[in-house]
Amino acid sequence: DTAVSQTPKYLVTQMGNDKSIKCEQNLGHDTMYWYKQDSKKFLKIMFSYNNKELIINETVPNRFSPKSPDKAHLNLHINSLELGDSAVYFCASTPSLSFDEQFFGPGTRLTVL
Amino acid sequence: AQSVTQLGSHVSVSEGALVLLRCNYSSSVPPYLFWYVQYPNQGLQLLLKYTSAATLVKGINGFEAEFKKSETSFHLTKPSAHMSDAAEYFCAVSYSSASKIIFGSGTRLSIRP
Repeated sequence: DTAVSQTPKYLVTQMGNDKSIKCEQNLGHDTMYWYKQDSKKFLKIMFSYNNKELIINETVPNRFSPKSPDKAHLNLHINSLELGDSAVYFCASTPSLSFDEQFFGPGTRLTVL
Repeated sequence: AQSVTQLGSHVSVSEGALVLLRCNYSSSVPPYLFWYVQYPNQGLQLLLKYTSAATLVKGINGFEAEFKKSETSFHLTKPSAHMSDAAEYFCAVSYSSASKIIFGSGTRLSIRP
């Protein structure tokens, strides 16, 4: 009965590869997010989707492409991985676009070698 | 620009001592303020939030925070630290229903036996 789940939990890959991270929430929320947490624990929003529609797109390289097939899923595809992409990526959701509590997934630790 | 500053990247207290984690925000409009906690290798979870109701907000695990408009602060306190409180704590701010949440840089709380 996990609320927000991410797969995989760990991802180790070589520079230049393409990889995807999947996120699913079973809370019935309308809004989902991707965050990047760097090695210093700094957490920064990357994207948000509301009812499958892109709402926030921060200054993220276009190698990162989110996809929301339905409002319960928000996947993140990364092309041509670089060393600097190594981080922990968190998915989160909220009931709607508001000041609500963000429910976070457990994170995906991406290591680019 | 909207921002939130956490003073002290690392705070260490003895078990049973007062915990005080500092957070200041910059805003020209009333903010919505949050404290999140991140235990090792986990996602963030909400401790408490201020949304323009009572200025003293009580959260989970005995934590509370007071919104002080004159000081633009939202410091987190707990009267008596427990070993299980050791974690990373993030202050966050949001300004409107469609805006992103901005997280502070985090404060790592260590508890000495």
